[in-house]
Amino acid sequence: EAQVTQNPRYLITVTGKKLTVTCSQNMNHEYMSWYRQDPGLGLRQIYYSMNVEVTDKGDVPEGYKVSRKEKRNFPLILESPSPNQTSLYFCASSLRGGGAYTDTQYFGPGTRLTVL
Amino acid sequence: ILNVEQSPQSLHVQEGDSTNFTCSFPSSNFYALHWYRWETAKSPEALFVMTLNGDEKKKGRISATLNTKEGYSYLYIKGSQPEDSATYLCAFRSSDYKLSFGAGTTVTVRA
Repeated sequence: EAQVTQNPRYLITVTGKKLTVTCSQNMNHEYMSWYRQDPGLGLRQIYYSMNVEVTDKGDVPEGYKVSRKEKRNFPLILESPSPNQTSLYFCASSLRGGGAYTDTQYFGPGTRLTVL
Repeated sequence: ILNVEQSPQSLHVQEGDSTNFTCSFPSSNFYALHWYRWETAKSPEALFVMTLNGDEKKKGRISATLNTKEGYSYLYIKGSQPEDSATYLCAFRSSDYKLSFGAGTTVTVRA
Protein backbone atom coordinates (compact mmCIF):
# COMPACT_ATOMS: atom_id res chain seq x y z
CA GLU A 1 0.00 0.00 0.00
CA ALA A 2 1.33 3.42 -0.99
CA GLN A 3 1.71 5.48 2.13
CA VAL A 4 3.60 7.98 4.23
CA THR A 5 4.32 6.81 7.76
CA GLN A 6 5.33 8.83 10.77
CA ASN A 7 6.54 7.77 14.18
CA PRO A 8 5.72 8.33 16.90
CA ARG A 9 2.08 9.33 16.52
CA TYR A 10 1.96 10.89 19.95
CA LEU A 11 4.81 12.19 22.09
CA ILE A 12 4.98 14.05 25.36
CA THR A 13 8.42 15.30 26.28
CA VAL A 14 10.13 17.92 28.37
CA THR A 15 11.92 21.09 27.41
CA GLY A 16 15.44 20.53 26.11
CA LYS A 17 15.26 16.78 25.54
CA LYS A 18 16.31 16.07 21.97
CA LEU A 19 13.82 14.13 19.88
CA THR A 20 13.40 12.82 16.35
CA VAL A 21 10.17 12.26 14.46
CA THR A 22 10.65 9.82 11.63
CA CYS A 23 8.95 10.02 8.24
CA SER A 24 9.10 7.39 5.54
CA GLN A 25 7.39 7.02 2.17
CA ASN A 26 7.25 3.97 -0.09
CA MET A 27 6.25 5.71 -3.32
CA ASN A 28 9.72 6.65 -4.57
CA HIS A 29 8.77 10.31 -4.28
CA GLU A 30 11.44 12.93 -4.78
CA TYR A 31 9.83 15.71 -2.77
CA MET A 32 9.26 15.53 0.98
CA SER A 33 8.16 18.18 3.43
CA TRP A 34 7.36 18.82 7.08
CA TYR A 35 4.48 20.99 8.26
CA ARG A 36 3.12 22.02 11.60
CA GLN A 37 -0.56 22.65 12.25
CA ASP A 38 -1.65 24.99 15.02
CA PRO A 39 -5.23 25.99 15.90
CA GLY A 40 -6.54 28.78 13.70
CA LEU A 41 -3.53 28.68 11.41
CA GLY A 42 -2.96 26.91 8.14
CA LEU A 43 -0.37 24.23 7.72
CA ARG A 44 3.00 25.97 7.89
CA GLN A 45 5.99 24.49 6.17
CA ILE A 46 9.03 23.83 8.34
CA TYR A 47 11.51 22.28 5.89
CA TYR A 48 11.33 20.60 2.54
CA SER A 49 13.55 18.44 0.40
CA MET A 50 13.58 18.32 -3.39
CA ASN A 51 15.64 15.13 -3.45
CA VAL A 52 18.34 13.20 -1.61
CA GLU A 53 20.84 15.50 0.10
CA VAL A 54 18.83 18.58 -0.95
CA THR A 55 16.97 20.35 1.86
CA ASP A 56 15.73 23.88 2.30
CA LYS A 57 13.99 26.02 4.88
CA GLY A 58 10.28 26.57 4.76
CA ASP A 59 8.41 29.35 6.50
CA VAL A 60 9.05 28.34 10.14
CA PRO A 61 12.38 26.48 10.34
CA GLU A 62 13.67 27.87 13.65
CA GLY A 63 14.33 25.16 16.21
CA TYR A 64 14.18 22.29 13.72
CA LYS A 65 16.65 20.28 11.67
CA VAL A 66 16.15 17.73 8.92
CA SER A 67 18.22 15.38 6.84
CA ARG A 68 17.63 13.48 3.61
CA LYS A 69 20.22 10.76 3.32
CA GLU A 70 17.88 8.32 1.61
CA LYS A 71 15.04 9.00 -0.79
CA ARG A 72 12.42 7.34 1.39
CA ASN A 73 13.26 8.92 4.77
CA PHE A 74 13.02 12.49 5.99
CA PRO A 75 13.38 12.74 9.78
CA LEU A 76 12.55 15.90 11.71
CA ILE A 77 14.90 16.66 14.58
CA LEU A 78 14.22 18.94 17.50
CA GLU A 79 17.59 19.46 19.19
CA SER A 80 16.22 21.34 22.20
CA PRO A 81 12.42 21.34 22.16
CA SER A 82 10.53 24.19 23.75
CA PRO A 83 6.85 24.52 24.70
CA ASN A 84 6.15 26.70 21.64
CA GLN A 85 6.93 23.66 19.50
CA THR A 86 3.88 21.87 20.90
CA SER A 87 1.91 21.20 17.75
CA LEU A 88 0.55 18.66 15.29
CA TYR A 89 3.21 17.74 12.76
CA PHE A 90 2.64 16.32 9.29
CA CYS A 91 5.11 14.85 6.89
CA ALA A 92 4.16 14.89 3.20
CA SER A 93 5.63 13.71 -0.07
CA SER A 94 4.99 14.22 -3.76
CA LEU A 95 6.32 12.60 -6.88
CA ARG A 96 8.60 15.17 -8.36
CA GLY A 97 11.03 17.68 -6.98
CA GLY A 98 11.65 21.05 -8.53
CA GLY A 99 9.13 22.32 -11.03
CA ALA A 100 6.37 20.02 -9.86
CA TYR A 101 3.95 22.80 -9.16
CA THR A 102 0.82 20.78 -9.64
CA ASP A 103 1.82 17.57 -7.91
CA THR A 104 -0.48 16.41 -5.16
CA GLN A 105 1.07 15.89 -1.77
CA TYR A 106 0.44 12.72 0.21
CA PHE A 107 0.33 13.26 3.93
CA GLY A 108 1.35 11.05 6.82
CA PRO A 109 -0.99 10.44 9.75
CA GLY A 110 0.44 13.22 11.88
CA THR A 111 2.45 13.36 15.10
CA ARG A 112 0.99 15.18 18.06
CA LEU A 113 3.86 16.59 20.09
CA THR A 114 3.56 18.13 23.54
CA VAL A 115 6.57 19.81 25.08
CA LEU A 116 6.23 20.50 28.80
CA ILE B 1 4.08 33.39 4.20
CA LEU B 2 1.50 34.23 1.54
CA ASN B 3 -1.94 35.31 2.67
CA VAL B 4 -4.46 32.53 2.01
CA GLU B 5 -7.79 32.93 3.73
CA GLN B 6 -10.71 30.57 3.99
CA SER B 7 -14.21 31.52 5.00
CA PRO B 8 -16.18 30.73 6.90
CA GLN B 9 -14.00 29.08 9.53
CA SER B 10 -16.75 26.56 10.22
CA LEU B 11 -20.25 25.80 9.12
CA HIS B 12 -23.05 23.45 10.00
CA VAL B 13 -25.33 22.08 7.33
CA GLN B 14 -28.35 19.84 7.45
CA GLU B 15 -28.09 16.48 5.70
CA GLY B 16 -29.28 16.84 2.14
CA ASP B 17 -28.62 20.56 1.93
CA SER B 18 -25.97 22.04 -0.33
CA THR B 19 -23.26 24.41 0.80
CA ASN B 20 -20.23 26.28 -0.42
CA PHE B 21 -17.26 28.11 0.99
CA THR B 22 -14.38 30.24 -0.19
CA CYS B 23 -10.62 30.25 -0.48
CA SER B 24 -9.01 33.64 -1.18
CA PHE B 25 -5.43 33.94 -2.36
CA PRO B 26 -3.09 36.47 -3.98
CA SER B 27 -4.06 37.18 -7.58
CA SER B 28 -0.44 37.64 -8.65
CA ASN B 29 2.18 34.93 -9.28
CA PHE B 30 -0.48 32.25 -9.40
CA TYR B 31 0.52 28.76 -10.44
CA ALA B 32 -1.91 26.30 -8.88
CA LEU B 33 -4.61 25.95 -6.26
CA HIS B 34 -5.04 22.72 -4.33
CA TRP B 35 -8.00 21.54 -2.29
CA TYR B 36 -7.59 18.92 0.41
CA ARG B 37 -10.10 17.17 2.62
CA TRP B 38 -9.04 16.44 6.18
CA GLU B 39 -11.15 14.15 8.31
CA THR B 40 -10.65 14.05 12.05
CA ALA B 41 -7.84 11.71 13.13
CA LYS B 42 -6.82 11.12 9.52
CA SER B 43 -4.37 12.66 7.06
CA PRO B 44 -5.35 15.38 4.61
CA GLU B 45 -6.25 13.87 1.25
CA ALA B 46 -6.13 15.59 -2.10
CA LEU B 47 -9.40 16.57 -3.75
CA PHE B 48 -8.46 18.82 -6.66
CA VAL B 49 -5.60 20.70 -8.21
CA MET B 50 -6.61 23.62 -10.39
CA THR B 51 -4.35 25.62 -12.64
CA LEU B 52 -6.36 27.63 -15.17
CA ASN B 53 -8.65 30.59 -14.65
CA GLY B 54 -12.20 29.33 -15.04
CA ASP B 55 -11.27 25.75 -14.15
CA GLU B 56 -14.06 23.65 -12.75
CA LYS B 57 -13.41 20.30 -11.13
CA LYS B 58 -15.87 17.72 -9.88
CA LYS B 59 -15.60 14.61 -7.74
CA GLY B 60 -18.92 13.03 -6.89
CA ARG B 61 -20.99 15.61 -5.05
CA ILE B 62 -18.06 17.95 -4.49
CA SER B 63 -17.01 20.51 -7.07
CA ALA B 64 -14.72 23.52 -7.20
CA THR B 65 -14.31 26.61 -9.33
CA LEU B 66 -11.33 28.91 -9.79
CA ASN B 67 -10.99 32.61 -10.50
CA THR B 68 -7.31 33.52 -10.67
CA LYS B 69 -7.88 37.10 -11.79
CA GLU B 70 -9.72 38.00 -8.61
CA GLY B 71 -7.99 35.45 -6.42
CA TYR B 72 -10.65 33.08 -5.16
CA SER B 73 -11.89 29.54 -5.41
CA TYR B 74 -15.21 28.11 -4.29
CA LEU B 75 -15.81 24.58 -3.08
CA TYR B 76 -19.36 23.27 -3.36
CA ILE B 77 -20.92 20.28 -1.67
CA LYS B 78 -24.22 19.20 -3.17
CA GLY B 79 -26.68 17.22 -1.06
CA SER B 80 -24.41 17.05 1.99
CA GLN B 81 -24.06 13.71 3.75
CA PRO B 82 -22.63 12.99 7.22
CA GLU B 83 -19.51 11.52 5.62
CA ASP B 84 -18.78 14.95 4.12
CA SER B 85 -18.01 16.23 7.62
CA ALA B 86 -14.37 17.27 7.51
CA THR B 87 -12.06 20.24 7.36
CA TYR B 88 -11.45 21.42 3.81
CA LEU B 89 -8.06 23.00 3.19
CA CYS B 90 -6.98 25.03 0.23
CA ALA B 91 -3.34 25.60 -0.67
CA PHE B 92 -2.01 28.27 -3.03
CA ARG B 93 1.06 27.51 -5.11
CA SER B 94 2.88 30.56 -6.37
CA SER B 95 5.14 30.62 -9.39
CA ASP B 96 8.25 30.57 -7.19
CA TYR B 97 7.15 27.19 -5.83
CA LYS B 98 6.02 28.46 -2.45
CA LEU B 99 2.97 26.63 -1.09
CA SER B 100 0.74 28.33 1.48
CA PHE B 101 -2.23 26.72 3.18
CA GLY B 102 -5.38 28.33 4.43
CA ALA B 103 -6.59 27.58 7.96
CA GLY B 104 -9.47 25.50 6.62
CA THR B 105 -13.25 25.43 6.68
CA THR B 106 -14.68 22.82 9.04
CA VAL B 107 -17.95 21.38 7.76
CA THR B 108 -20.29 19.53 10.09
CA VAL B 109 -23.23 17.76 8.48
CA ARG B 110 -26.12 17.11 10.84
CA ALA B 111 -28.26 14.06 10.21
